[in-house]
Order: sequence, then C-alpha cells, then structure tokens
Amino acid sequence: NAGVTQTPKFRVLKTGQSMTLLCAQDMNHEYMYWYRQDPGMGLRLIHYSVGEGTTAKGEVPDGYNVSRLKKQNFLLGLESAAPSQTSVYFCASRILGQVYNEQFFGPGTRLTVL
Amino acid sequence: QQQVKQSPQSLIVQKGGISIINCAYENTAFDYFPWYQQFPGKGPALLIAIRPDVSEKKEGRFTISFNKSAKQFSLHIMDSQPGDSATYFCAASRAGANNLFFGTGTRLTVIP
Repeated sequence: NAGVTQTPKFRVLKTGQSMTLLCAQDMNHEYMYWYRQDPGMGLRLIHYSVGEGTTAKGEVPDGYNVSRLKKQNFLLGLESAAPSQTSVYFCASRILGQVYNEQFFGPGTRLTVL
Repeated sequence: QQQVKQSPQSLIVQKGGISIINCAYENTAFDYFPWYQQFPGKGPALLIAIRPDVSEKKEGRFTISFNKSAKQFSLHIMDSQPGDSATYFCAASRAGANNLFFGTGTRLTVIP
C-alpha cells in the first residue's frame, strides 16, 4: 500500500494563477482532510470530506475549494493564488467508524506564491 | 483562537537526556489526545495517544502524562537520541468528531 500520496511535491506560482493539488489514498478511508502548515502556526484545517461527494469547511477555508468526486481522491484548488497561500499543504485520511480520530498523512506539497 | 497551546516552540537536549513538551487545552469535551511526530520533508505520523481515563501511557521511551483537572498533557522522551530530532505536535479531539485540533509544534534537536 502506498498510503496517502500527494501530487505535486513542489510548485511555484505567480500571484493570480490557479492550480490543483491532488491527494490520493489506497486505504479505502472515508474521511479525507486538507491542512496547511506554517511556521509557528502548526497544522490548520482547510477543508475536509466525510465521504464521496461531500465536503465541509475547516478553520481556514477562504481562497480554497475542494472536490471529492471519487472516494480515493481529494482535490484542493486555488483559483487565484496569493502570497499568503505560500505554505506546506498536507492531506490526511482516516477510516470510517473509528471512535477516535487517528489520521494518516501524506508527504506534503510545498507551494510558493510569488 | 488556538484550541491547544503547546510549549516550548523549540527544545535542545543532550543525548541521553529527557525531553519534555507540554500542551494545554480549554475544551473539556476533548477526550482524545494524540502526539504526532514529523521528520523534515515528511508528513506527521501518530506517535502515541492517550484518553482521559488514564493519567499516563507509556510506549517504549515515550510517555504521555495527563492531568485532567489542570487540562494539561505532556510528552516525555526518555534517553533522548539524535534520531528523535523532529517536530512534535500535540492534538486534541472528542469522540465522534470529524477533526483534530493541533498545537503549534515543538522542534526537538537532540545533540550527540
């Protein structure tokens, strides 16, 4: 099993450009999450999904959109990138039915917006 | 508002020493407290977790101490090794909740 994978690993954008980050998991997990990690801020939840076709906002959703068309994939979109979106983005997943929230993380995508 | 407060931001420990990282929370509904370990260039990975029905949980050199009345919990790394050098995040959640609330992280450096 590959676990949780993220594409791409690195990306540089100019202000105003758009892009999509792809997260894929092969563990048949129902729940998927997108976080951003910034120095001194820890991990902050952007959006999450509790199943195929469903999404919900997290702590810092502004400027991002997500889609979960297939159970194994969770896409994070930036429609018009801003320098404040320079960050490391992590995807995570967890199994349905687990009482406590053990999440499995991908390796991250480092995004720089100039 | 930070749901979970973590300190210190960085920590330097000699090999063989004890590393201690502290976290505090306000929401008394939280009942699951995991610690995640993150190596450079990698995603966080679950290290150890505790539920409030016990005051301590030990796994090898790693121990969580939990103080329910003070709403605090801490990670102790005994006999710290250079391979323990990483960033550690505490987190909190409640049963059935969809998401975890993370602390701001502690960068641990263990020097030989």
